[in-house]
Amino acid sequence: AQSVTQPDIHITVSEGASLELRCNYSYGATPYLFWYVQSPGQGLQLLLKYFSGDTLVQGIKGFEAEFKRSQSSFNLRKPSVHWSDAAEYFCAVGGTGTASKLTFGTGTRLQVTL
Amino acid sequence: KAGVTQTPRYLIKTRGQQVTLSCSPISGHRSVSWYQQTPGQGLQFLFEYFSETQRNKGNFPGRFSGRQFSNSRSEMNVSTLELGDSALYLCASSLALQGNYGYTFGSGTRLTVV
Repeated sequence: AQSVTQPDIHITVSEGASLELRCNYSYGATPYLFWYVQSPGQGLQLLLKYFSGDTLVQGIKGFEAEFKRSQSSFNLRKPSVHWSDAAEYFCAVGGTGTASKLTFGTGTRLQVTL
Repeated sequence: KAGVTQTPRYLIKTRGQQVTLSCSPISGHRSVSWYQQTPGQGLQFLFEYFSETQRNKGNFPGRFSGRQFSNSRSEMNVSTLELGDSALYLCASSLALQGNYGYTFGSGTRLTVV
C-alpha cells in the first residue's frame, strides 16, 4: 500500500530565510509525487509534480523539490520565504490506473515570522 | 480556462438527512475524484470516476456514493448523515486516469452536520 510521511507538523521560519519541508513515501513502483499547498478555507493548489526524468523539479512560486529514490524522499525547498507562503503543505503520492488515487501526508503547517 | 467548480460552498445539514454535492471539472478533463478532509483523519480518498464509471474506491461506508454524467460533471451523495461526516469535501479533476497528468482541485464544499 502506498503511504506518505511528513514528519514535521508545524514549522516556523523568518521571512527571507530558506525552507525545507520533508516528505518520505512508500510505493511499490516508480511513484508519481506531488506537493500541494492549502490556504485556510481553500482547496489544494498544485506546486509541483514529479513523474520521471530530472530529479530536481521546479514549481510555481519559487518552490523546487528533489526526488531521491534511495531515500524514498521528495523534499520541498524554497531559498527565500515570503510572508504569503504561510499555509499548509501536503505531499502526495499516486500511480496509474486503479492506483491513480492520491495518498496524502498529514501536512506541514508553515508559519512565517516577519 | 475555468477551474474545478464545486457547489455549494457551504452546507449545514441535520443528522439523518442526506446531501448531494456537485463538481464540474475543467473542460476536457474526464476523471473526477473526491476526497474528504477532516482535522482528525486528514485527506482521504473517496472515489474516482472516469467516463461515467467508478474506477477507484476508498474505504468509506456505502452511505457515500457518487456518479458521473456524460459531460464529466460529478455528484457525490451522503445518506443518513452522521456528525462525523462534517468535513471539507474536495473534488479533483484530471485529463485521464493516468496519475501523471496530475490533479486540479476545487475549493471544496464545507459540510457541517448538526
